[in-house]
Amino acid sequence: DVKVTQSSRYLVKRTGEKVFLECVQDMDHENMFWYRQDPGLGLRLIYFSYDVKMKEKGDIPEGYSVSREKKERFSLILESASTNQTSMYLCASTTGTVSYNEQFFGPGTRLTVL
Amino acid sequence: KQEVTQIPAALSVPEGENLVLNCSFTDSAIYNLQWFRQDPGKGLTSLLLIQSSQREQTSGRLNASLDKSSGRSTLYIAASQPGDSATYLCASGTYKYIFGTGTRLKVLA
Repeated sequence: DVKVTQSSRYLVKRTGEKVFLECVQDMDHENMFWYRQDPGLGLRLIYFSYDVKMKEKGDIPEGYSVSREKKERFSLILESASTNQTSMYLCASTTGTVSYNEQFFGPGTRLTVL
Repeated sequence: KQEVTQIPAALSVPEGENLVLNCSFTDSAIYNLQWFRQDPGKGLTSLLLIQSSQREQTSGRLNASLDKSSGRSTLYIAASQPGDSATYLCASGTYKYIFGTGTRLKVLA
């Protein structure tokens, strides 16, 4: 069965802290994505990766960076957390070409920045 | 730039009713369209994926159709149940997925 896991369901951090969100998939998928979801704005793509050590900016990359050292793991990094980064963060993965295949999502991480 | 719209934003129906959720997109040059279900505070669960060459997909009580020329997709839920209560999102797939903001469905027992 398809499985995408995220390191934390809930996270509370202080302004200025460096924050790491981890995502792991066990499906040997090439492509992995980080989204944030906010009321009224829907899901917005932050970054995605189509291979190990490869990354591309999404629609809202400012204030974020990513790391993909292994195929199964994709990390989202908030270099200096700010209150406007309080959100639900969702990781997804898909095999093959980015657009053609079914996306599978993790359970989400609800991040609060105080 | 692709825009995906879902109307209505919220819907409340009695149990047993058949219902249709709508999804509109502005750019018909899509590769596929995917429907998801999201329970409160949870991630997205994939329901159906329709490739651009297909007209519809079915899974159990769910049927999704795709009309690229009119920029529309519908999700039909037959004999709705309280357990169907959730937010339903559609996403159009081109170079990347663009998501609608969802329809929040409540099925009353």
